[in-house]
This record gives sequence, C-alpha cells and structure tokens, in this order.
Amino acid sequence: EVQLVESGGGLVQPGGSLRLSCAASGFTFSSYWMSWVRQAPGKGLEWVANIKQDGSEKYYVDSVKGRFTISRDNAKNSLYLQMNSLRAEDTAVYYCARDLAVAGIGFYGYWGQGTLVTVSS
Amino acid sequence: AIRITQSPSSLSASTGDRVTITCRASQGISSYLAWYQQKPGKAPKLLIYAASTLQSGVPSRFSGSGSGTDFTLTISCLQSEDFATYYCQQYYSYPFLTFGGGTKVEIK
Repeated sequence: EVQLVESGGGLVQPGGSLRLSCAASGFTFSSYWMSWVRQAPGKGLEWVANIKQDGSEKYYVDSVKGRFTISRDNAKNSLYLQMNSLRAEDTAVYYCARDLAVAGIGFYGYWGQGTLVTVSS
Repeated sequence: AIRITQSPSSLSASTGDRVTITCRASQGISSYLAWYQQKPGKAPKLLIYAASTLQSGVPSRFSGSGSGTDFTLTISCLQSEDFATYYCQQYYSYPFLTFGGGTKVEIK
C-alpha cells in the first residue's frame, strides 16, 4: 500500500525557516517524480514544486522561487521542502503527492495527509 | 502560466440530482486535465484524468468530458457521499501545474 507521511509543520515567525519531510513507503520511491502541493486555510489547491526521480530537475511556482528548495533522498525514501524567508501567505497545509504513473505525467494518484505550516508573529 | 477558471464556485443540490461543473483553460490544453474530490480535513482524491478516464475504483456516476479549453465533470445521480469540493487541474504545461479554484457541492 502506498503511504506518504508528512511531518515538520508548525508555527514560525515571518522571515523564519522550516523544513518539511515526507516519508514514502509501499512503492519504489526512486522511480517517481514527487511534488509538494499546498492549500491555504479555506482556499484552493496550489502546486508548489516538483522534483525528478534522480533530483536532477526541480521546478517551482513563481511565488516560492528563490525561497523554497525541494530535495529528496532516495536511500531514505524521503522527500523534503526547505522553506526560507517565510511569509504570512505561505500559511497552508502542505501535501506531499505522487504521480499516478512512473512516467511523470503530472496528476496525482497518491497524497499524504498534509502538515500545517502557520507563519505568524 | 495557464489559468484555469472553474465554475460555479459553489452549488446546492439534492441527492439524486445531476450535477455539472465546468473548467475553462486560458489556452488549449488538449485533454491534459484531471479532476479531484476533496472532503473537509482530507487530502484530495483523484477521480478522472485525461479529461475523461475514470480512475480505478471511482463510481461510474462520475464522468468527464471536453478537450481544448472547455471541460466538464458530471455526477449523474448525486449521492450523500458526493457532497464535497471538486477541483480540476491542468498538466499540459507539466512540470508546471495549475488547479481550478474549486467547486463546493452542498446539500440543498
């Protein structure tokens, strides 16, 4: 059974940093593109970042470019999101998500339960 | 960036009703569109991809149609468990992805 379990969320002050983790199991992690998707309270879904199977390609939504870094450790079956210079508008539930297919087409068949990041003083 | 406009933002319906939700893309995206269902406090669930392909295990009362810029999700006979928020998502510009704003389906 595919499982994605996020951790690392919490309360952080504006300008602060936080590192999210996603522990994957039940599939060959190194074979899949992985993503982070977020959802601000009461709002819709927003794609945040993608990373290729070997970590050689990374893509970001414009609003987080230069502040967030997606990475992965295939030996540990883990996905990460390093978030720096956090702003109030980054407050959201952050989901780890996996493509439905190995080919990396861009729609998500599997999601974690999410971890809440709150940016507030 | 490709923008997705979803309508309506909310609707009220009764069990047994036929419900239609629309997404319009700011440019042609062929059939590179997915639909998700999300219930409060839960992660989204994939319903449909490639505009009309039903994900395994999804009831056949859900269907999708469209190509190019205009797409539709239809629930043919609304059940109690279908009251939720629905999102469309384009993946034509993969790896850059965008979601529609969502449609909340509420009980009338």
